[in-house]
Amino acid sequence: DAGVTQSPTHLIKTRGQQVTLRCSPKSGHDTVSWYQQALGQGPQFIFQYYEEEERQRGNFPDRFSGHQFPNYSSELNVNALLLGDSALYLCASSLALTGSRNEQYFGPGTRLTVT
Amino acid sequence: SQKIEQNSEALNIQEGKTATLTCNYTNYSPAYLQWYRQDPGRGPVFLLLIRENEKEKRKERLKVTFDTTLKQSLFHITASQPADSATYLCALVLYGNNRLAFGKGNQVVVIP
Repeated sequence: DAGVTQSPTHLIKTRGQQVTLRCSPKSGHDTVSWYQQALGQGPQFIFQYYEEEERQRGNFPDRFSGHQFPNYSSELNVNALLLGDSALYLCASSLALTGSRNEQYFGPGTRLTVT
Repeated sequence: SQKIEQNSEALNIQEGKTATLTCNYTNYSPAYLQWYRQDPGRGPVFLLLIRENEKEKRKERLKVTFDTTLKQSLFHITASQPADSATYLCALVLYGNNRLAFGKGNQVVVIP
């Protein structure tokens, strides 16, 4: 049973560039959430996708956008990168049927460094 | 403002003892509270979930309590082992809202 996978593992970008991160959810899961985790901080919720639509969004600017595909996989796009976007980006999958229990399975993350 | 507070200082504990971590929150009304373990450079791993109407939950050597009056959860690792060394995150699940709100995490170091 494949868990949550993310690609790439590491990425180095320059300020102003754009980046796309990818996530495949755990088998059987239909909901994907994205989190940003700065060093020494807890994960911060970016947004959540279900049925190919953004269902919830955290306090992140429009430079952060996403997509969910029919096979439930997801992408996170960040435009006009800033130094402050350097962080570990985590994808988490869950099953909508579990409702508020919301037990989430996290991937290993993508370490983004903006120089 | 809304806050989820975990102790920023690492907890150093002797092997075999019980490690106790605290999660305090303000201006939240969570439906559930979750605890995750995170190892360096890895994603968090779900450990336990407790509902707002439950007082205590156990799983093997782990125990979680949830006091909605005090707005506090305690997380215990009994008979701690060096393999338990990691950062432990508490997360709130809010009513009608499927996002998780995380604390900063609390590092545990179990000394052999």
